[in-house]
Amino acid sequence: DTEVTQTPKHLVMGMTNKKSLKCEQHMGHRAMYWYKQKAKKPPELMFVYSYEKLSINESVPSRFSPECPNSSLLNLHLHALQPEDSALYLCASSHVIGGNEQYFGPGTRLTVT
Amino acid sequence: KQEVTQIPAALSVPEGENLVLNCSFTDSAIYNLQWFRQDPGKGLTSLLLIQSSQREQTSGRLNASLDKSSGRSTLYIAASQPGDSATYLCAAYSNSGYALNFGKGTSLLVTP
Repeated sequence: DTEVTQTPKHLVMGMTNKKSLKCEQHMGHRAMYWYKQKAKKPPELMFVYSYEKLSINESVPSRFSPECPNSSLLNLHLHALQPEDSALYLCASSHVIGGNEQYFGPGTRLTVT
Repeated sequence: KQEVTQIPAALSVPEGENLVLNCSFTDSAIYNLQWFRQDPGKGLTSLLLIQSSQREQTSGRLNASLDKSSGRSTLYIAASQPGDSATYLCAAYSNSGYALNFGKGTSLLVTP
């Protein structure tokens, strides 16, 4: 099973809302990633977790708060977002950090109104 | 930082043609290189991963090559089909190992 699942598929939220994105994998991978992808642009790395610890934060604004409660789950908590944060949010996982093949989920399409 | 460029940005071919997508990268100290397919509004599907010690990888009608010295990779698609229509992304791992640096992609349309 090489599947990464993400929920919800679509999310519309106001600028004052608090919401969370969820990502799950059962491949035993110990590295998990959040990417942001704007229309017709390549994905941009946001965060990297390795063995449930935050390893990389690519200078992401604090209104995005990641969490890795266990080795299979990755959350992205959203608060006070701006309309320009509307994008496709992709989760990925790999065996470990270090150039291993990354497997992506289907993404959550986020619209901030 | 590793810069990745993909040419062409868009390509339209008739069904049955063999085609080549190009990817170039600036840092030859590459760790690995991964090719993905993305359908509109969807996530990324991994097609092939080429380790830095390898020169090519094959999967079905797909063949990817890697030439570190020239900073280039190619994705060869044989006997193209309308179902191959998608955006193809090339991504190179820098030697730091954690970051995938993506090209902007090639949008492929295969017409019946």
